[in-house]
Amino acid sequence: AQSVTQLGSHVSVSEGALVLLRCNYSSSVPPYLFWYVQYPNQGLQLLLKYTTGATLVKGINGFEAEFKKSETSFHLTKPSAHMSDAAEYFCAVLNTGGFKTIFGAGTRLFVKA
Amino acid sequence: DAGVTQSPTHLIKTRGQQVTLRCSPKSGHDTVSWYQQALGQGPQFIFQYYEEEERQRGNFPDRFSGHQFPNYSSELNVNALLLGDSALYLCASSLSGGAREKLFFGSGTQLSVL
Repeated sequence: AQSVTQLGSHVSVSEGALVLLRCNYSSSVPPYLFWYVQYPNQGLQLLLKYTTGATLVKGINGFEAEFKKSETSFHLTKPSAHMSDAAEYFCAVLNTGGFKTIFGAGTRLFVKA
Repeated sequence: DAGVTQSPTHLIKTRGQQVTLRCSPKSGHDTVSWYQQALGQGPQFIFQYYEEEERQRGNFPDRFSGHQFPNYSSELNVNALLLGDSALYLCASSLSGGAREKLFFGSGTQLSVL
């Protein structure tokens, strides 16, 4: 069965600092991996996705993530945080050949001025 | 190009009642998935509809049912509402083909059960 674990329900960084949000997955087959962002009172928006190929994936708003099969991880990073990055971030997994995208519990990012 | 639209945006019901939530997928999308997001939690998969049939279902009781229409729009029905059904219900649309893994979400329906 596939699952996603996000380490840290809350992360706080200063504006301009590195953002690192951690995600580990469990999947019996090669997975598709995603990061979604949710702003207050809104639905989820795709930040980036890994399907196949290059393991370093770049997304919108300066975010990127690296797929590490040996560590079953897909951590999200951004070199310099901006106030507008404050939101809830969800890591998700979809088994290749499957139909059900499974989401982690989410990490709320706070950005301090 | 209209994205995923959901209605209503907010709904208040009492225990035991029934509710119907509606979703129109993004133009060109033929697959609709429904998720329940409780406060402070990640979205939980309820089911997915494709070609007017339920293709996969999550761990939700039979009180949760759905329908997909020929125009690909979808409804989520919940019977015999419980307090624990209070949540944000999200609809996501996608393509059945090569880009099927990318979900486009609506803003959700906030359901409060009193």
